[in-house]
Amino acid sequence: KAGVTQTPRYLIKTRGQQVTLSCSPISGHRSVSWYQQTPGQGLQFLFEYFSETQRNKGNFPGRFSGRQFSNSRSEMNVSTLELGDSALYLCASSPHLGGGGDNEQFFGPGTRLTVL
Amino acid sequence: SQQGEEDPQALSIQEGENATMNCSYKTSINNLQWYRQNSGRGLVHLILIRSNEREKHSGRLRVTLDTSKKSSSLLITASRAADTASYFCATDDYGGATNKLIFGTGTLLAVQP
Repeated sequence: KAGVTQTPRYLIKTRGQQVTLSCSPISGHRSVSWYQQTPGQGLQFLFEYFSETQRNKGNFPGRFSGRQFSNSRSEMNVSTLELGDSALYLCASSPHLGGGGDNEQFFGPGTRLTVL
Repeated sequence: SQQGEEDPQALSIQEGENATMNCSYKTSINNLQWYRQNSGRGLVHLILIRSNEREKHSGRLRVTLDTSKKSSSLLITASRAADTASYFCATDDYGGATNKLIFGTGTLLAVQP
């Protein structure tokens, strides 16, 4: 099976712009989660989708949004970019709904976003 | 916010030596996982240990879990240069039907050939 894919791999934007990142989970996986990784804050949970429904959201401003399509592919959008949004954005998929049992996550290679 | 701390923050050893990393967390858990990240890339799942388990092995990896102390350790035996990476522990969001992971701060391991 192909792994989790993320596009684009690298992105450079300027402050005030918006950006859309894409994630294709492993075939058959219906759960997709997003994480932001920065040197200062480490790995922070953004949101989680299962069967096109947002099931959980991290502590991020409303500028960060996401969605999941019927084929389980997911996108996240960041509007009005700030310098502090520069980070590695990681997507992870799982075949399980989660909660109590095995919730091993399969991560993509990430999208490196640089905001100038 | 992050679940807890990992120590050491950085570790440098010679090939063939063992590497031990520790993770502490703050809340109740259903399971704890360890992930590896090569420089600036995605995370790779290494091992999952459930809250009712005390020790688990996978190849050269040995993980222990002490829920009374809210701590875990990862031991890599007979390390190789290819083990050079950052290692993160991650706990689940206890009580929720969610795949959310709460990560530790990570340990940067350098294995010198």
